[in-house]
Amino acid sequence: GENVGLHLPTLSVQEGDNSIINCAYSNSASDYFIWYKQESGKGPQFIIDIRSNMDKRQGQRVTVLLNKTVKHLSLQIAATQPGDSAVYFCAEKVQGAQKLVFGQGTRLTINP
Amino acid sequence: ETGVTQSPTHLIKTRGQQVTLRCSSQSGHNTVSWYQQALGQGPQFIFQYYREEENGRGNFPPRFSGLQFPNYSSELNVNALELDDSALYLCASSPGTGSGETQYFGPGTRLLVL
Repeated sequence: GENVGLHLPTLSVQEGDNSIINCAYSNSASDYFIWYKQESGKGPQFIIDIRSNMDKRQGQRVTVLLNKTVKHLSLQIAATQPGDSAVYFCAEKVQGAQKLVFGQGTRLTINP
Repeated sequence: ETGVTQSPTHLIKTRGQQVTLRCSSQSGHNTVSWYQQALGQGPQFIFQYYREEENGRGNFPPRFSGLQFPNYSSELNVNALELDDSALYLCASSPGTGSGETQYFGPGTRLLVL
């Protein structure tokens, strides 16, 4: 389908805890996946990406996991900070296609 | 900051009018993609430009058109504006059209159609 789905539209975590944002994708032909962070009034900001030949990739405080068997993607944010408050989108891309297909997004809020 | 710039930041038009939005890609990037983001939704692909030609299009009517210039900057034109065209219009640049090419977004242009 055209939409990359998300399990939870909102996620609230305590400052300092780890956050896990989940995403289900429907197109088994997708071979490239990206997580974006979008703050209010701004464009999506690249966080981390992963290709389909990998199942895990780590960045600074973030980890993306890819499970192709169940077509599931997750973003883990370690030691969540107030500045992590935003809407997070996963996006997928099919090999040879030009477009990124985005889901509706998950809003992450941080409790002090 | 990605180095992708867009203008104007905000725009108000009335139904039936035409609008032109502009995008400057990040240095070294030759590919520009345009997306429409309605409030509370994820971005939807409009089209992509590579080497001054349209290189793929989403489910948008022909009144959405674009251009890419030799310096890789791009324009999005929308004719006969409708109320549902109110949205954030995002431009994204990438260093190529390959499957694994990350797209970097600009801040967007907020269009309101009255």
